Amino acid sequence: GQNIDQPTEMTATEGAIVQINCTYQTSGFNGLFWYQQHAGEAPTFLSYNVLDGLEEKGRFSSFLSRSKGYSYLLLKELQMKDSASYLCAVRSQGLYGGATNKLIFGTGTLLAVQP
Amino acid sequence: EAGVTQFPSHSVIEKGQTVTLRCDPISGHDNLYWYRRVMGKEIKFLLHFVKESKQDESGMPNNRFLAERTGGTYSTLKVQPAELEDSGVYFCASSPKTGLILDTQYFGPGTRLTVL
Repeated sequence: GQNIDQPTEMTATEGAIVQINCTYQTSGFNGLFWYQQHAGEAPTFLSYNVLDGLEEKGRFSSFLSRSKGYSYLLLKELQMKDSASYLCAVRSQGLYGGATNKLIFGTGTLLAVQP
Repeated sequence: EAGVTQFPSHSVIEKGQTVTLRCDPISGHDNLYWYRRVMGKEIKFLLHFVKESKQDESGMPNNRFLAERTGGTYSTLKVQPAELEDSGVYFCASSPKTGLILDTQYFGPGTRLTVL
């Protein structure tokens, strides 16, 4: 089956660093995405990993280990505006092993940044 | 560049009625997707268009749901007749082309559907 797990809620302090973990079990793997979603708004693309290792983009970094079925999103120098839901999504494989653009989402991690 | 837009933002209907949701993708994007989030659950894939053709409709719940993308531009998702369990947020997303390694999907703000 398809399963993506991430913590439901996290709390962190302004200026600190927070790591949001995501583990996945999917029938095939063709990339992992992180999205940020503020309440009532569209999910916004943050990062993409398809190879093992760390991808850095400003204050945000994302790590992937395909052998462990594991990713994390690292947010540095937290700001109040980072309070949002963070969605981990895997792009699986289609029938017969072909690529598919279908994303499989976790339930999201609601991050609260406190002063 | 305008993002993905969806209309309406909210819809409240009674069980048995019909509702049509509209999605306008980013101009020039061949791929268009519909997803749904039921309260308390994860966002789930419904279907994928490549231009006007249905590439993958494996996530469509049942035959009460009909998606169209005539002309390969905007898309509509009709629910007829609506049931209580259809309540949720319906997201549309678009991406440029199939076959790219990184084919990022850009999401719209969603339509919140409430069936009473």
